[in-house]
Amino acid sequence: SQKIEQNSEALNIQEGKTATLTCNYTNYSPAYLQWYRQDPGRGPVFLLLIRENEKEKRKERLKVTFDTTLKQSLFHITASQPADSATYLCALDPGANNLFFGTGTRLTVIP
Amino acid sequence: GAVVSQHPSRVICKSGTSVKIECRSLDFQATTMFWYRQFPKKSLMLMATSNEGSKATYEQGVEKDKFLINHASLTLSTLTVTSAHPEDSSFYICSARSGTSATSTDTQYFGPGTRLTVL
Repeated sequence: SQKIEQNSEALNIQEGKTATLTCNYTNYSPAYLQWYRQDPGRGPVFLLLIRENEKEKRKERLKVTFDTTLKQSLFHITASQPADSATYLCALDPGANNLFFGTGTRLTVIP
Repeated sequence: GAVVSQHPSRVICKSGTSVKIECRSLDFQATTMFWYRQFPKKSLMLMATSNEGSKATYEQGVEKDKFLINHASLTLSTLTVTSAHPEDSSFYICSARSGTSATSTDTQYFGPGTRLTVL
């Protein structure tokens, strides 16, 4: 069956450290993968998109990698801040014009 | 970035009544809109995809007669939960995309969500 798993339901890190979140998928062959941020009681906000032919994508303190062999994407936040505390969702589009979301990782950055 | 609004943000209704949720793309034309449902501490589950002027495509397990979707214009889609029951209580989120290709990488922009509570 198809699955998108973010294997840490919750992650606590110290301010200033790098947070690394993992997204693994099975039985999908996505053309691209996206990462979103969701705050409590709010809709997701788009952060980054990485295509299957891209190994890495950066945006300010964010970095995403995409390994289609391992079927895994890593999401890094460097120099983390308490304001980065939120739930982060990976999502992929298998080419059917819609998005399927992972289970999410709730990140807490401790001052 | 593009803005998607939802109305209402919260609604409480009695069991057996119907509730309509509106989703609007405020500064772009959305050829495709999506409706998701999210339970507490769970991820978003796609309910249906709608293209302007066409019937919605529902995901497996989603009752189309229960969740009526209308995408009458390029900026408005509505979700009506008919004869709501307590188990329909959830957080409903819409999103909109302007791309027309099935492989479009145009970003989906999400609304702020609607919290439905059925008593």
